[in-house]
Amino acid sequence: DAKTTQPTSMDCAEGRAANLPCNHSTISGNEYVYWYRQIHSQGPQYIIHGLKNNETNEMASLIITEDRKSSTLILPHATLRDTAVYYCIVSYNTNAGKSTFGDGTTLTVKP
Amino acid sequence: NAGVTQTPKFRVLKTGQSMTLLCAQDMNHEYMYWYRQDPGMGLRLIHYSVGEGTTAKGEVPDGYNVSRLKKQNFLLGLESAAPSQTSVYFCASGLTGRSMNTEAFFGQGTRLTVV
Repeated sequence: DAKTTQPTSMDCAEGRAANLPCNHSTISGNEYVYWYRQIHSQGPQYIIHGLKNNETNEMASLIITEDRKSSTLILPHATLRDTAVYYCIVSYNTNAGKSTFGDGTTLTVKP
Repeated sequence: NAGVTQTPKFRVLKTGQSMTLLCAQDMNHEYMYWYRQDPGMGLRLIHYSVGEGTTAKGEVPDGYNVSRLKKQNFLLGLESAAPSQTSVYFCASGLTGRSMNTEAFFGQGTRLTVV
């Protein structure tokens, strides 16, 4: 599985969009990009995943560059409850459970 | 729907003691996983299973054993606990790759301290 690089921490104002970047320059053609988040010390929670096209669901949007070497997770209207560690994972499997979780980005949403 | 349930939630062991962590899922998932998370770090895969009766090693398997005798249960064993195994342990489950539901579902964790 390809490795990922994320910033250690980011801040965002409540109500504004949070844009979390992830670099995965060694990604292979059939590897998916997954995003999970972990609030406090709870179990990680799935957010979204994609292969080539941009994806959107009720939680977030995922923008993948055309060369697939980087992606951005967008939380359109961040709330205080979105404060968490966000993990970007690249995996061959269409189930990311087997993949390695790096150190992630700590997002702090401020009032 | 309980999802993924881990037992126990907290445990303190003395060095050399043994214990088994239980993970149960009620979603009929084929895949199950055990991770450990040390303070301030991401999750590392210990062992995983792609179906009943099968197990495989992950990144950090040493000092742990697993069993998947029933599809819904995945057990993680520590035969002789060491202080280095102090960590939070997470179990997860997921459907096979051919399913549209491709995310992994995590339990709430077991906080283990070895003294």
